[in-house]
Amino acid sequence: SQQGEEDPQALSIQEGENATMNCSYKTSINNLQWYRQNSGRGLVHLILIRSNEREKHSGRLRVTLDTSKKSSSLLITASRAADTASYFCATVLSGNTGKLIFGQGTTLQVKP
Amino acid sequence: DGGITQSPKYLFRKEGQNVTLSCEQNLNHDAMYWYRQDPGQGLRLIYYSQIVNDFQKGDIAEGYSVSREKKESFPLTVTSAQKNPTAFYLCASRGTGGGETQYFGPGTRLLVL
Repeated sequence: SQQGEEDPQALSIQEGENATMNCSYKTSINNLQWYRQNSGRGLVHLILIRSNEREKHSGRLRVTLDTSKKSSSLLITASRAADTASYFCATVLSGNTGKLIFGQGTTLQVKP
Repeated sequence: DGGITQSPKYLFRKEGQNVTLSCEQNLNHDAMYWYRQDPGQGLRLIYYSQIVNDFQKGDIAEGYSVSREKKESFPLTVTSAQKNPTAFYLCASRGTGGGETQYFGPGTRLLVL
């Protein structure tokens, strides 16, 4: 079952602009994670935010979590052509044993 | 060089044939996972194993089988009962003891001849 819904499905921006991707989910979570996938490759973990956290930063990445709205956003600042990839949110449900439930992803294209 | 390896990179299956995808990790992780990804879609969980000699079905286990005889290895067999096997298959592992992120292999693309 797909827990996460991501918005937009596709995003195209110019290098240097900021990119914002949103993720909504349906049930209570333990944590929410963002992953990146380059075309035809495996996923790479970007950042994890726990249910009791509201915002987290890692380099040019900023993640927010609003548990009352069951939503999260990923902001990539000062984007680069190398950021072109698909980005997935994944939730770990409360009381779960580590299973990830993935959204369908946002495909980001950064034009040089 | 630590990590997760998957082989082969591409695999071709004939009608009625069982094929096995390999996944090996040297991260000393207890938990391992198999996902299926269809074009333009997210990942769906096929099977997972939290410890050697134990595994559980995920959301789309029908037509697949796994084994976990060694900590390092979690092979996935796509059986002839899986009628639509064409997809990208990803293996992942996760450390216990507080580790919550999953580490992914490079994937195997399965195509039907």
